[in-house]
Amino acid sequence: DAGITQSPRHKVTETGTPVTLRCHQTENHRYMYWYRQDPGHGLRLIHYSYGVKDTDKGEVSDGYSVSRSKTEDFLLTLESATSSQTSVYFCAIRTTSGNIYNEQFFGPGTRLTVL
Amino acid sequence: ELKVEQNPLFLSMQEGKNYTIYCNYSTTSDRLYWYRQDPGKSLESLFVLLSNGAVKQEGRLMASLDTKARLSTLHITAAVHDLSATYFCAVTPNTGNQFYFGTGTSLTVIP
Repeated sequence: DAGITQSPRHKVTETGTPVTLRCHQTENHRYMYWYRQDPGHGLRLIHYSYGVKDTDKGEVSDGYSVSRSKTEDFLLTLESATSSQTSVYFCAIRTTSGNIYNEQFFGPGTRLTVL
Repeated sequence: ELKVEQNPLFLSMQEGKNYTIYCNYSTTSDRLYWYRQDPGKSLESLFVLLSNGAVKQEGRLMASLDTKARLSTLHITAAVHDLSATYFCAVTPNTGNQFYFGTGTSLTVIP
């Protein structure tokens, strides 16, 4: 399972509150990703990181921020949650150096409901 | 805008039958991925296709890649109920670090 954990696994919150989701990996991978999954849209990239303090936006980054102060942790923050951010959030790592496949492996997901 | 299109979106098939899922993409890419997702679960990597003409097989599933046509197929042979799941394809452009996913194909195999 590539040693990826996500916390919390489930969260219910109210509109306007801040929310932080955590992704933790144990295998020192450089690249980490945050996706959201919604019916009819597949997975859409929110933000990704290519190293400590190095991040970039994905296709649906509005309303989200990220931070990566340590290799093993990638945090996703909803500054002021809205109902449109109700979704399942997946973290992923990407294998690199020495691995020609550059595969992604996914965490177990976090189900977020914004009321 | 990069697009990845899968079809069909929903597929109901009888056990023992064959079928193909198609994945078209709009960027130059030599790298295509297939994933499986069971309800309420995470994504599991099935295949990584790295070059034009690549073919990979695992059990009743076979994936192929035509980079010139920007098309990948996932062929299901003699379907069984255990193959019921949602299947996603994803591409990563030859330049760039992002992965782009199709909307998924929900497969139901009926006994």
